[in-house]
Amino acid sequence: DAKTTQPPSMDCAEGRAANLPCNHSTISGNEYVYWYRQIHSQGPQYIIHGLKNNETNEMASLIITEDRKSSTLILPHATLRDTAVYYCIVRVGSGNTGKLIFGQGTTLQVKP
Amino acid sequence: ETGVTQTPRHLVMGMTNKKSLKCEQHLGHNAMYWYKQSAKKPLELMFVYSLEERVENNSVPSRFSPECPNSSHLFLHLHTLQPEDSALYLCASSQPTSGANVLTFGAGSRLTVL
Repeated sequence: DAKTTQPPSMDCAEGRAANLPCNHSTISGNEYVYWYRQIHSQGPQYIIHGLKNNETNEMASLIITEDRKSSTLILPHATLRDTAVYYCIVRVGSGNTGKLIFGQGTTLQVKP
Repeated sequence: ETGVTQTPRHLVMGMTNKKSLKCEQHLGHNAMYWYKQSAKKPLELMFVYSLEERVENNSVPSRFSPECPNSSHLFLHLHTLQPEDSALYLCASSQPTSGANVLTFGAGSRLTVL
């Protein structure tokens, strides 16, 4: 079973920041949080991952709470092409047998 | 182009056919994965290969038979499938460490079983 909880859907206005929350209250101290997105009928696309510190790359920012029980993915200036299902994932297991279990994700609809 | 290539992109087969899905990665990764995504459902992990050894088999029916001849190639052999096996089959690869494990996915193979 997935170890994360996300809202099923969110809307965001084009050009505004999209803030996607995720709860992972059972996360262990050495487990990373990963974010992927899936545009309709395509393969999931990696966005970002983090352990304790906030992370930023060319696609998004990841804010992880100090207790690591939740995180927020921020798309700073959402465009219509960011409409997708966003998955927050915590790895189950470790080493070469660790696996990423996908939940239902959040469907983000960016509106003009 | 993600570096993970899946063929064919679309496949239609009857219940008595035998077909194979192919996945090839050009990323130098040592782990490969098959996921299944049925309509309006989350991705389901089917198989995991690490260093060409199968390390995970998530109670997948025997009509699905994976093969990993080397670290760059992964196959999913299909035989006597059922209509409910119609789905998007996704291949991924990664270079797992004791820390992060970032998967790179292919575009998927859309399978329809008649």
